[in-house]
Amino acid sequence: GQQLNQSPQSMFIQEGEDVSMNCTSSSIFNTWLWYKQEPGEGPVLLIALYKAGELTSNGRLTAQFGITRKDSFLNISASIPSDVGIYFCAGQLQGGSEKLVFGKGTKLTVNP
Amino acid sequence: SQTIHQWPATLVQPVGSPLSLECTVEGTSNPNLYWYRQAAGRGLQLLFYSVGIGQISSEVPQNLSASRPQDRQFILSSKKLLLSDSGFYLCAWSPGRDYGYTFGSGTRLTVV
Repeated sequence: GQQLNQSPQSMFIQEGEDVSMNCTSSSIFNTWLWYKQEPGEGPVLLIALYKAGELTSNGRLTAQFGITRKDSFLNISASIPSDVGIYFCAGQLQGGSEKLVFGKGTKLTVNP
Repeated sequence: SQTIHQWPATLVQPVGSPLSLECTVEGTSNPNLYWYRQAAGRGLQLLFYSVGIGQISSEVPQNLSASRPQDRQFILSSKKLLLSDSGFYLCAWSPGRDYGYTFGSGTRLTVV
């Protein structure tokens, strides 16, 4: 089936550093979404992107919908300890079914 | 506003026992509903999804089944649990295609 390649798989950074993660695919997507999951909780939607080239910010988070509609990135600026968690990208395939396709996640650890 | 409720939060069940996890959504009608399973620190595996009452699509052949007896109720069941059924089960809903999912808080199932 269709896959989203999310990288990196894990990141270990110092508080205050900037973070960048991305998702790529060989397929075209109509929608890109970024979720954060904290331990023992369900994923929470951070940013939704609906147009190719769209750049959207949510506080210290910035995400972009790639112009080719096959990729997206998420940046976190000036990381803080509460940024710890697993970040998932997800996309709605062009012409696809009702289901989102999820990446395998990026596990972020922030050292104080 | 819409809310999603999932219970119980944690469950410890012996091998061979039955399972019933319930998920309900409030504040919307005819939602798409989804059941996911997540192994520890890993990605999200779609188990079942439903676009309407009585309409269930299974993604993975397994020891589990799902039912949607009412518009906003989604139930995950098993007649006899296996050790391999242990995991974190997440319910989610969406208004339809090209919309993000909203996840419940999850059920931690341990089969012993």
